[in-house]
Amino acid sequence: GENVEQHPSTLSVQEGDSAVIKCTYSDSASNYFPWYKQELGKGPQLIIDIRSNVGEKKDQRIAVTLNKTAKHFSLHITETQPEDSAVYFCAASLGYSTLTFGKGTMLLVSP
Amino acid sequence: GAVVSQHPSWVICKSGTSVKIECRSLDFQATTMFWYRQFPKQSLMLMATSNEGSKATYEQGVEKDKFLINHASLTLSTLTVTSAHPEDSSFYICSAKDYTNEQFFGPGTRLTVL
Repeated sequence: GENVEQHPSTLSVQEGDSAVIKCTYSDSASNYFPWYKQELGKGPQLIIDIRSNVGEKKDQRIAVTLNKTAKHFSLHITETQPEDSAVYFCAASLGYSTLTFGKGTMLLVSP
Repeated sequence: GAVVSQHPSWVICKSGTSVKIECRSLDFQATTMFWYRQFPKQSLMLMATSNEGSKATYEQGVEKDKFLINHASLTLSTLTVTSAHPEDSSFYICSAKDYTNEQFFGPGTRLTVL
């Protein structure tokens, strides 16, 4: 089955800096890669996703890149703000099948 | 985006009792719902996939008789933790797929078994 590795497990940045979280996946057939933000005591919220026919997608301060050859994808957050502090999960799936999640990255943005 | 609710948001029960958690898709019909379990500082672990009108598909290692799942309508799925014990204490999260197959997550239910 699919295996998703996520790094780093913890990331601390200063407000205004950029943050990058990286994930690798094992199944080359996977074609859907969402990113979720989870705040303490809450459920995950989809923040951005990308499909395998696209190499990059951007939504304001958030962007995701996908390298199918290397089987890795990354989340980029620019101009970080304290409210970006949360746990971020990457995931991968094949089509409409179940998602396989990474172990999560705790992002801490200091004012 | 689509909204998924869970009830209750937290519950404390005595060991040996059963607890029911509801998951509702508020503004869309969900043919498929998922139940996850999350331990502190860990990732989401898929427990089962629930399709409306049919039996749930459980992941390996998840006890079917322990975690009863019912998906009686296109907007409601329930998870019942039967004869709960302290090791069942966890954060339970549901998600639902809309017609685009995107998954929307509920806010989670914190279960504490004394």
